[in-house]
Amino acid sequence: GENVEQHPSTLSVQEGDSAVIKCTYSDSASNYFPWYKQELGKRPQLIIDIRSNVGEKKDQRIAVTLNKTAKHFSLHITETQPEDSAVYFCAASIIQGAQKLVFGQGTRLTINP
Amino acid sequence: DVKVTQSSRYLVKRTGEKVFLECVQDMDHENMFWYRQDPGLGLRLIYFSYDVKMKEKGDIPEGYSVSREKKERFSLILESASTNQTSMYLCASSWGSGDGYTFGSGTRLTVV
Repeated sequence: GENVEQHPSTLSVQEGDSAVIKCTYSDSASNYFPWYKQELGKRPQLIIDIRSNVGEKKDQRIAVTLNKTAKHFSLHITETQPEDSAVYFCAASIIQGAQKLVFGQGTRLTINP
Repeated sequence: DVKVTQSSRYLVKRTGEKVFLECVQDMDHENMFWYRQDPGLGLRLIYFSYDVKMKEKGDIPEGYSVSREKKERFSLILESASTNQTSMYLCASSWGSGDGYTFGSGTRLTVV
């Protein structure tokens, strides 16, 4: 089955710097890759996603890149702000009756003022 | 806005009790999911359902069962709660293929 590995598990950056979180997946049939942000005590929320026919997608300060050949995708956050502090999860989709998501282990991002 | 509502935010149950976790979504989503979230392990899929009365095992179904009698409601059942089922439980729903999930707020279950 699909396996998603996420690195690093913790990341600390200075406010204003960039942060990069990387994920790899194993199933070449996966075609949808969302990223979720979970603030302390809150539900995970979708922040950006990318489909397998696209190599890069950007939304203001966040961007996601996908390398299908290498089976890895990354989240890039530029000009980080204190409110970016959260746990971030990547996921890859597989079809088994329904489309289901397999999640990475999560990255705790801390923005230092 | 899609709403996914989990009936309890916090629960404390005793070992051996039968536990019901309820999840309701209000946007006619076909798919519903139950995950558990543990530090360092991410979100792991317990069960999911893509239609009323349909259910499929996820990656860690042991000790759990589910029920989906109506499209909007998906229940997770712990047949005999054990301490290793202490965790955060997240319900999610989605349309068909190619869409992200909307999550509920989670139920933090403690089994003592």
